[in-house]
Amino acid sequence: DTEVTQTPKHLVMGMTNKKSLKCEQHMGHRAMYWYKQKAKKPPELMFVYSYEKLSINESVPSRFSPECPNSSLLNLHLHALQPEDSALYLCASSPHRGNTIYFGEGSWLTVV
Amino acid sequence: DAKTTQPPSMDCAEGRAANLPCNHSTISGNEYVYWYRQIHSQGPQYIIHGLKNNETNEMASLIITEDRKSSTLILPHATLRDTAVYYCTEWAGNNRKLIWGLGTSLAVNP
Repeated sequence: DTEVTQTPKHLVMGMTNKKSLKCEQHMGHRAMYWYKQKAKKPPELMFVYSYEKLSINESVPSRFSPECPNSSLLNLHLHALQPEDSALYLCASSPHRGNTIYFGEGSWLTVV
Repeated sequence: DAKTTQPPSMDCAEGRAANLPCNHSTISGNEYVYWYRQIHSQGPQYIIHGLKNNETNEMASLIITEDRKSSTLILPHATLRDTAVYYCTEWAGNNRKLIWGLGTSLAVNP
């Protein structure tokens, strides 16, 4: 069982909507990640937070906006998404960058 | 750029050992190899990792060649629940990011 909890599990949103994906971990990990995964592809890194500071942004469009309110929480704010943004969004954490990464179950996003 | 390559699919009979290979020909000396698996519609699950020596845990064994250019994940007694996509990954760029292979889809057959 994963100790990284993501909500919601499923989200359908229109292209003009604003929504957020949420992620929580209570393992004391100081690195947290957002990945995007399309069907039959490996996960693609989007953002990395290390000690609550954004350390990597993999050239993600600004319609995706990450936020790390504290060491246990990670949000991904979504605004004006496109249908091609429909995917499985995975949150993950690790004790520090470079350590074993543990994934949540993901949030399935459909943009209509 | 760092890169791992894996066969796209494999089959294994239930109860037999499943040996999943991975080539990581560009790996550098201090980069760990990690294996994950992903069962349909779930998040990736960590299996095992290693640097130079062979490793074993309750899930699997990992054999890394002496030159570190390839590794093999061994599931000693595969069950139907081991049917999943198995990803070989390596940390690259001074632990900047995890590099993923395209994965091997393992089908365990009764």
